[in-house]
Amino acid sequence: AQRVTQPEKLLSVFKGAPVELKCNYSYSGSPELFWYVQYSRQRLQLLLRHISRESIKGFTADLNKGETSFHLKKPFAQEEDSAMYYCALSPGANNLFFGTGTRLTVIP
Amino acid sequence: NAGVTQTPKFRVLKTGQSMTLLCAQDMNHEYMYWYRQDPGMGLRLIHYSVGEGTTAKGEVPDGYNVSRLKKQNFLLGLESAAPSQTSVYFCASQTTNEKLFFGSGTQLSVL
Repeated sequence: AQRVTQPEKLLSVFKGAPVELKCNYSYSGSPELFWYVQYSRQRLQLLLRHISRESIKGFTADLNKGETSFHLKKPFAQEEDSAMYYCALSPGANNLFFGTGTRLTVIP
Repeated sequence: NAGVTQTPKFRVLKTGQSMTLLCAQDMNHEYMYWYRQDPGMGLRLIHYSVGEGTTAKGEVPDGYNVSRLKKQNFLLGLESAAPSQTSVYFCASQTTNEKLFFGSGTQLSVL
């Protein structure tokens, strides 16, 4: 069965410091992986997806099939990055399995 | 652009009462979903629909029913609310292989 694990419920970093939000998954096939973000008083929205190999708001995420990880990284955190981040996995069957989320706080 | 609209935004129910949450999308999306969000549990899929007239169970379907009579609407019903159904409910819609668009959520408390 598929599972998404985000080991950190809370993560605090100082402004300008690097940030890494961890995501590990278990799935027997080739999943599609996503990061969704929920800023304060806003709705959940897509941040990035691994097949796009893009950088959004300075964030990148690389799929590591050997380690079954999809960690989200940013070299220099900004205050506006403070939000709830969810890693999600799609097995391709019109379903999306979410991790439990990590609340990131960037300290000024 | 309305996107995905959920009503109501807040609701308080007594145990045993029933209610229906409405999700409406104006993007002509085929796929619609209902999730619940609980502390420490992330988002869990309740039910979903791949098209008008079709619904399917998700990860936590018990105690809920859904209907998709019109393509743009996806209704989530609680026939007899229980305190365990206190949660924040999110609706989302999607086209094939595209990102999910979420509603702003419904905060439900069952006393």
